[in-house]
Amino acid sequence: DAGVIQSPRHEVTEMGQEVTLRCKPISGHNSLFWYRQTMMRGLELLIYFNNNVPIDDSGMPEDRFSAKMPNASFSTLKIQPSEPRDSAVYFCASSGQGSGYGYTFGSGTRLTVV
Amino acid sequence: EDKVVQSPLSLVVHEGDTVTLNCSYEVTNFRSLLWYKQEKKAPTFLFMLTSSGIEKKSGRLSSILDKKELFSILNITATQTGDSAVYLCAVSEGAAGNKLTFGGGTRVLVKP
Repeated sequence: DAGVIQSPRHEVTEMGQEVTLRCKPISGHNSLFWYRQTMMRGLELLIYFNNNVPIDDSGMPEDRFSAKMPNASFSTLKIQPSEPRDSAVYFCASSGQGSGYGYTFGSGTRLTVV
Repeated sequence: EDKVVQSPLSLVVHEGDTVTLNCSYEVTNFRSLLWYKQEKKAPTFLFMLTSSGIEKKSGRLSSILDKKELFSILNITATQTGDSAVYLCAVSEGAAGNKLTFGGGTRVLVKP
């Protein structure tokens, strides 16, 4: 099992540019989560999907952020336009129905907006 | 507002010491409490606790949940430098139990 796969691992972009983060969950997992981690705020849930349907997006900071899950094996988190305060590590995680092991996290994408 | 609070914020110990990490929570529809270890990259799963008073053990790590007092502790005995990490507590809530709310973490540094 390859685990949760995120890309890119690092992204440096200029303020105002569009950023797209990608995630491939573990095959068979039906829930997918996007988290953001910063020193100041810790791990914050942005949005999560069950069976490809967005369930709770109350953590999405503002309209500049959007997330999609077109199928069970792929999700994107888009920031447009990006701002320096979006700089953080963005984690994707997945979990399966009845899993006794909580989430499995991807390795994260470190985003720096300059 | 639901919240998960961890203490201490950080601690420094020497190899061989025992550490106890605390996690208290206030959530409206508690399902389970989870502990994660985070080194340089992604959090890795340690324990999931759903029942009060039942200790879970994995090697030198153990954890227990008190659902009446709404807290959990994570113990690490005979610490090693490889135990240096941030330890995160998270609470699963809601009907589906999918949503995890994380505490701010406890940073543990084990010195040789």
